[in-house]
Amino acid sequence: EVQVVESGGGLVQPGGSLRLSCAASGFTFSNYAMHWVRQAPGKGLEYVSTISNNGDNTYYANSAKGRFIISRDNSKNTLYLQMGSLRPEDMAVYYCAKGLSSNSYGAFEVWGQGTMVTVSS
Amino acid sequence: DIVMTQSPDSLAVSLGERATINCKSSQSVLYSSNNKNYLGWYQQKPGQPPKLLISRASTRESGVPDRFSGSGSGTDFTLTISSLQAEDVAVYFCQQYYSFPFAFGPGTKVDIK
Repeated sequence: EVQVVESGGGLVQPGGSLRLSCAASGFTFSNYAMHWVRQAPGKGLEYVSTISNNGDNTYYANSAKGRFIISRDNSKNTLYLQMGSLRPEDMAVYYCAKGLSSNSYGAFEVWGQGTMVTVSS
Repeated sequence: DIVMTQSPDSLAVSLGERATINCKSSQSVLYSSNNKNYLGWYQQKPGQPPKLLISRASTRESGVPDRFSGSGSGTDFTLTISSLQAEDVAVYFCQQYYSFPFAFGPGTKVDIK
């Protein structure tokens, strides 16, 4: 079964940092682009970041640029999102999603259950 | 950046009736080299992650009931549920993946009348 499972969420103070992880299974991880999407409580979906299958290319939402870093370890089938300078408006459920293809330009085929990030003092 | 809009914000439809959701992008998402629209539709039920229903504007994903269909090209797209079932109550989002940063529409909530 194709599956992605997020972890690493929690409570962090404004200005703090957090690293999210996404463990993938059931597919050849190194063949697919991967994505992060977030959803604030009661709100819609917000695109965060994308990394190409080999990690050479990364892309960010304007809100994440300069503060978040997406990375992957294909030997561990794991995706990461290093978040810094966190703000209250970053509070959300963070979803990891598998791309539909190796091409970064594809729909988001499989989603995890998400991990909650709370930014509060 | 491409901005996505959806209409209506919400709609209530009787069981067995048709539901139509519209999505508009601020720029064309039609990739000329392959004539494909880089537009997806997602369904999100309460307490669940989103689920991909349709990619490339009209390609239904495996296992998605055929009452769901997508149409449109360029900047204007439609998701149609031909005969609404109780399990279709959800929020539906469109998404462009034509250019970075990718973007989602604000969502349309579908309820039973």
